[in-house]
Amino acid sequence: DVKVTQSSRYLVKRTGEKVFLECVQDMDHENMFWYRQDPGLGLRLIYFSYDVKMKEKGDIPEGYSVSREKKERFSLILESASTNQTSMYLCASSPHRRSAYTDTQYFGPGTRLTVL
Amino acid sequence: AQKVTQAQTEISVVEKEDVTLDCVYETRDTTYYLFWYKQPPSGELVFLIRRNSFDEQNEISGRYSWNFQKSTSSFNFTITASQVVDSAVYFCALGDTGRRALTFGSGTRLQVQP
Repeated sequence: DVKVTQSSRYLVKRTGEKVFLECVQDMDHENMFWYRQDPGLGLRLIYFSYDVKMKEKGDIPEGYSVSREKKERFSLILESASTNQTSMYLCASSPHRRSAYTDTQYFGPGTRLTVL
Repeated sequence: AQKVTQAQTEISVVEKEDVTLDCVYETRDTTYYLFWYKQPPSGELVFLIRRNSFDEQNEISGRYSWNFQKSTSSFNFTITASQVVDSAVYFCALGDTGRRALTFGSGTRLQVQP
């Protein structure tokens, strides 16, 4: 079974703090994704990565950065957290770079981030 | 551009009722993939089904069935004899060559009352 884990289920941070959300997958997948989920908006793609040190912007990259130093780990960074970044953050992975649009994505349990 | 529309924001049914969740998609590609995911209260999205654009056969898996109609760009999901455990948010998603990621709809929250 594919396992995608996220470092925290719940996180509370203050405005202006630097926030790190970590995601690890154990199936040697090439692709990893960070989504943000808000009521009525569904899942919106923030960034994705198809290889170590490679990244591409998604639909809403502003205010976020990512890091992929190892194949199994993909980090989402909020450089200076703001209240409008309060949301549920979901990490996902899928097997193959060349078929990223056809492969099933496997999701972690999510991190509910509150920025005060 | 890719787009997935789930017009039903929330549906409430009583146990044992049948319920259909609608999904309408837009794509310029002739080759594309459609997905359904379930998000129970625990939060983790669970994969339900993947179909490619060349396979329009309806699929049935236990109480779940999917109706794919290219003519109306729809990929609807029906739960027969719903149960309380079906209560969740359900997402439809589209994958096409336009980008290397899936495009998700806004989700439909299904509440099954005992």
